[in-house]
Amino acid sequence: NAGVTQTPKFQVLKTGQSMTLQCAQDMNHEYMSWYRQDPGMGLRLIHYSVGAGITDQGEVPNGYNVSRSTTEDFPLRLLSAAPSQTSVYFCASSFRTSYQETQYFGPGTRLLVL
Amino acid sequence: QKEVEQDPGPLSVPEGAIVSLNCTYSNSAFQYFMWYRQYSRKGPELLMYTYSSGNKEDGRFTAQVDKSSKYISLFIRDSQPSDSATYLCALSKAGNNRKLIWGLGTSLAVNP
Repeated sequence: NAGVTQTPKFQVLKTGQSMTLQCAQDMNHEYMSWYRQDPGMGLRLIHYSVGAGITDQGEVPNGYNVSRSTTEDFPLRLLSAAPSQTSVYFCASSFRTSYQETQYFGPGTRLLVL
Repeated sequence: QKEVEQDPGPLSVPEGAIVSLNCTYSNSAFQYFMWYRQYSRKGPELLMYTYSSGNKEDGRFTAQVDKSSKYISLFIRDSQPSDSATYLCALSKAGNNRKLIWGLGTSLAVNP
């Protein structure tokens, strides 16, 4: 099992450019989410999905779009990059039982917006 | 007031020391309590998971939950340099919407 994979590992964008951060998991998890991690701000939820075709907004969704056409893939799109979106982005997928949830994180994508 | 408070440190200890990491929270609705470990330039990984109050032990790690005080702890015994990482607490409520609420993380350095 590869677990959760993310591409690219590092990206530099200019203000106004768009791009897609890729995320894939091979654990057949229904729940997937995108976070950004910034110094002093911790992990903040951007968008999440509870299954194919179902997405919802998290804490900081503005400037980002997601879609979930398959269980495996959950791409994050930056519509028009801004310097405030410079961050480390983590994708996670979750295994849930009735009383336990384990989130598995990808290695992250470091994004620099100039 | 943030829902979860965690001292960011940094915390520096000698090898072999007992380490205590803590989070406090304000909402009594939290039922699930987790500790994640994050090495530099890596994603977080689940270390300990507890439900409701009490202690849970796994090797050198003990997670403790005191719901009456709204206080959770992670103890590391016989700390090793390989324990040097950032430790994040994460909490969630019962029900279908179990979004995680994260602490900012405590940076720990164990010196040989």
